Amino acid sequence: QVQLEQSGPGLVKPSQTLSLTCAISGDSVSSNSAGWNWLRQSPSRGLEWLGRTYYRSRWRSEYAVSVKSRITINPDTSKNQFSLQLSSVTPEDTAVYFCGRGRDGYLDYWGQGTLVTVSP
Amino acid sequence: QSVLTQPPSVSGAPGQRVTISCTGSSSNIGAGYDVHWYQHLPGTAPRVLIYGNSNRPSGVPDRFSGSKSGTSASLAITGLQAEDEANYYCHSYDSSLNSWVFGGGTKLTVL
Repeated sequence: QVQLEQSGPGLVKPSQTLSLTCAISGDSVSSNSAGWNWLRQSPSRGLEWLGRTYYRSRWRSEYAVSVKSRITINPDTSKNQFSLQLSSVTPEDTAVYFCGRGRDGYLDYWGQGTLVTVSP
Repeated sequence: QSVLTQPPSVSGAPGQRVTISCTGSSSNIGAGYDVHWYQHLPGTAPRVLIYGNSNRPSGVPDRFSGSKSGTSASLAITGLQAEDEANYYCHSYDSSLNSWVFGGGTKLTVL
């Protein structure tokens, strides 16, 4: 059974960088058949896919256009986890952030979600 | 604001059948991309109910079923139970955005 455990601060100041980690058990971040995703949910934007990292002979990342200039998703093979960094945050980045495993075009496992509030 | 359109809410009495629609366009559902459905209780991890338009993962009751036609998809829930009260989201891929896209979510109330 795959489990995803999210961690990271729930409060970030405007203009700073939001950082979250998703620890994986029951699978490997280096899996050749999975992608490791970050999403967020807010009342104003609904559920929004932010990006993914995955390994297919080499590491690759894909990002949503809306955050492409500010986002980095990195794997950490030594800890079997992956991370999200979103820079220059504003109050509009306040949301519940989810990590998720993607296979065959859908998310079959999700993290529990982390509410991140952007406020001074 | 969501690319896929869902009704904000639906309701039904225990034992009844409800359907939740998900309307897209020619660049997502209408282009042939699969539709997936998730159930989410706030404060918990969402879970997949239907993948690939109509497939149920193991452990999902057969009371849940999915279908797709043209630019729309539907989730049907029969024999409604109190435990079905949750938020439901549809999900697909959009070729013009080159991104996964989601519906705005539908809150199911069991009366």
